[in-house]
Amino acid sequence: SAVISQKPSRDICQRGTSLTIQCQVDSQVTMMFWYRQQPGQSLTLIATANQGSEATYESGFVIDKFPISRPNLTFSTLTVSNMSPEDSSIYLCSVDRTVNYGYTFGSGTRLTVV
Amino acid sequence: KNEVEQSPQNLTAQEGEFITINCSYSVGISALHWLQQHPGGGIVSLFMLSSGKKKHGRLIATINIQEKHSSLHITASHPRDSAVYICAVRSDMRFGAGTRLTVKP
Repeated sequence: SAVISQKPSRDICQRGTSLTIQCQVDSQVTMMFWYRQQPGQSLTLIATANQGSEATYESGFVIDKFPISRPNLTFSTLTVSNMSPEDSSIYLCSVDRTVNYGYTFGSGTRLTVV
Repeated sequence: KNEVEQSPQNLTAQEGEFITINCSYSVGISALHWLQQHPGGGIVSLFMLSSGKKKHGRLIATINIQEKHSSLHITASHPRDSAVYICAVRSDMRFGAGTRLTVKP
């Protein structure tokens, strides 16, 4: 299955600032997914990122708050903008290799906003 | 009602015990995933299955498509199995709330 390198693994940020999270995949993939996991909650899909087109955002998530880049088939970034304490969560990227291999997740970014 | 329900929410076991975690879902699916999340936050995919049973080491996953139910079993549990186990169904990838397993030595 794919190997995903996600950075940073954790960060503590001041409110009002922005943080960019990076995911690098060891092979080309069509779609990359960004998830948020709030404390004690399950995963919620933020958006789907396809190379060469704008990301598709789920209900409740907007591009101004969570801009996503997908410059090529192995890399994507998610920015959490103008952060508030409510943005404190684990953020994960994921790829869907094939129907046989299923999903692979990055190691997660634990974000704390103070 | 959540589309993916897991039980129990929390589970504490003694080392060596047989563990069962259950997942029920209400949507049509093409496959079901069992995921393991360690305290650092990273997630590992344990199984993806669409029918029957799969086994990997001490882990066994079963699914009954007609009953819309899956189980994850851990035989001879060990403290390193302590993690959150998440059931996810492959229908726009919907996730259960997770089961927090603690295995005591």
